[in-house]
Amino acid sequence: EVQLVESGGELVQPGGSLKLSCAASGFSFSASVIHWVRQAPGKGLEWVGRIRSKPNNYATAYAASVKDRFTISRDDFKNTAYLQMNSLKTEDTAVYHCTRRGPNDSADYAFDSWGQGTLVTVSS
Amino acid sequence: DIQMTQSPSSLSASVGDRVTITCRASQGINNYLAWYQQKPGKVPELLIYTASTLQSGVPSRFSGSGSGTYFTLTISSLQPEDVATYYCQNFNSVPLTFGGGTKVEIK
Repeated sequence: EVQLVESGGELVQPGGSLKLSCAASGFSFSASVIHWVRQAPGKGLEWVGRIRSKPNNYATAYAASVKDRFTISRDDFKNTAYLQMNSLKTEDTAVYHCTRRGPNDSADYAFDSWGQGTLVTVSS
Repeated sequence: DIQMTQSPSSLSASVGDRVTITCRASQGINNYLAWYQQKPGKVPELLIYTASTLQSGVPSRFSGSGSGTYFTLTISSLQPEDVATYYCQNFNSVPLTFGGGTKVEIK
């Protein structure tokens, strides 16, 4: 069974930093593209960014709203992805989900599995 | 960046009604369009990918169509358990933008 479990969310002051983790199991993590998606309270879904696999040089991409502030990384030995968030703003308050792009033999152009999410609150 | 525009933003329909949600992309995305269902308090779930392919386990009353810039999600016979917010997503190129969502309620 595919599982994605986020952790690390908490209350942080504006301008602060936080690092979220996404622990994966039940699939070939090292071969998968991992994405982060956030949802502000009562709002819609916003794609945050993604990290590709080693054969694709762990290439990352980010939404304009977080570029130069957020960094996605991964540790394939630990089956874990990370979201480092710096210079946090109140508008970054949201539930942060990690997701995976589906495998080549099925939903390979969609997110077929989502974690439950971890809440990040940016407030003074 | 590709903008995804959904309509309507909300709708109310009766059980058994046929419901259609539209999603327009600001530029062509081929058929790289996904639909998700998010029930209240729950995590989004994949319904349809590549515009018209039903994800395993999704009821056949859900269907998707379209290509290029215009896409639709249809529920052929609305059920009480379909109360949710539905999102389309551009999967053609980063940033992988989502539509604003369509909230579906039972009349």
